Amino acid sequence: SQKIEQNSEALNIQEGKTATLTCNYTNYSPAYLQWYRQDPGRGPVFLLLIRENEKEKRKERLKVTFDTTLKQSLFHITASQPADSATYLCALVWYGGSQGNLIFGKGTKLSVKP
Amino acid sequence: GAVVSQHPSWVICKSGTSVKIECRSLDFQATTMFWYRQFPKQSLMLMATSNEGSKATYEQGVEKDKFLINHASLTLSTLTVTSAHPEDSSFYICSAPEEGGGNEQYFGPGTRLTVT
Repeated sequence: SQKIEQNSEALNIQEGKTATLTCNYTNYSPAYLQWYRQDPGRGPVFLLLIRENEKEKRKERLKVTFDTTLKQSLFHITASQPADSATYLCALVWYGGSQGNLIFGKGTKLSVKP
Repeated sequence: GAVVSQHPSWVICKSGTSVKIECRSLDFQATTMFWYRQFPKQSLMLMATSNEGSKATYEQGVEKDKFLINHASLTLSTLTVTSAHPEDSSFYICSAPEEGGGNEQYFGPGTRLTVT
């Protein structure tokens, strides 16, 4: 079965530094991969989507890379701020899977200290 | 962006009773909605796909007679947890895809269910 791992349960960094979160998957390649932000007691909020034929996507201070050889996606937040503190989830949709059949990782809780 | 709401945001019920959770797309139509469940420090797990005008599709291991889904209109899906037990206590989240077949999912704020 498909498996997604977000290696770090928690990541603590200093304000202004770049946060790098990792998402690894096994077995088949996904059609695309998404990153979400989830605050405590709230639903996920979509941040970025990257397709299997794309190497990198950027949105303001966010950058996502996708390496299908390593079966890994990296999520970067540059110039991090305390307001970036949240849990970040990666989610994949596999070829043949339905649009909503997102397979989520457990998330990485990011804490940005002032 | 599109907004999905859920009601109630939290609910406490006694074991054996039923609870209904509503999911609404506020400014767009959703022929399909998805229901997820999230236990503490765990992944969101897809429970079922709700289809307007037809039966829901349940994921393996999810009891369709226990988790009743009704997609009454293009903007409303409901999840009813019947004969709730303490192990059903969880965070229930719905989502709807963007119109036009896009890949973005809009999630509701979630409903915290506690069964005593």
